[in-house]
Amino acid sequence: EAGVTQSPTHLIKTRGQQVTLRCSPISGHTSVYWYQQALGLGLQFLLWYDEGEERNRGNFPPRFSGRQFPNYSSELNVNALELEDSALYLCASSLRTGRVGTQYFGPGTRLTVL
Amino acid sequence: DAKTTQPNSMESNEEEPVHLPCNHSTISGTDYIHWYRQLPSQGPEYVIHGLTSNVNNRMASLAIAEDRKSSTLILHRATLRDAAVYYCILREYSTNTGNQFYFGTGTSLTVIP
Repeated sequence: EAGVTQSPTHLIKTRGQQVTLRCSPISGHTSVYWYQQALGLGLQFLLWYDEGEERNRGNFPPRFSGRQFPNYSSELNVNALELEDSALYLCASSLRTGRVGTQYFGPGTRLTVL
Repeated sequence: DAKTTQPNSMESNEEEPVHLPCNHSTISGTDYIHWYRQLPSQGPEYVIHGLTSNVNNRMASLAIAEDRKSSTLILHRATLRDAAVYYCILREYSTNTGNQFYFGTGTSLTVIP
């Protein structure tokens, strides 16, 4: 069974630019979560999508946004990039109604903002 | 905010057991305890989870205190491939927030050959 996939693997942008990151969940999973992990820090929750809708967001500015498509894949968009946006962006998927709620993570996208 | 407390780092000799502790004194009755590990520049990997009873799988064992305010991840024989940051996480669920995972800074495990 294929795991969570993310693209691209690495990305270099300059301040003020915009970026789109992509995530494909495990087959059968309807929930997609996005996290930001700055260098040397823990994971910070960004966004939760389920059934095509944004269900919850963490403490991030509105320039962080995204969407979920009918096939449950998801995009994370970051506008007006700032230097502190440099981080590993992780996507995870889970079953929506699972009691346990185990999230399965992709390999991440490393974003560097210069 | 992280709802778990873990030591910043631990060391273990190769092929010896490792006990990684975690405190979660504010745990509620429906919170599942999850453990993940993360190698450098990779996404977190699921290790094990539990609610009340001790759990075993091919990767590790999870011992949960009777009052559920602490737990211990047990690696029975540490290998060099087990060197990673280990996160103890409480899974909270609500219809508004879904499955909310609160990651702390984890425990960095060093395995000494």
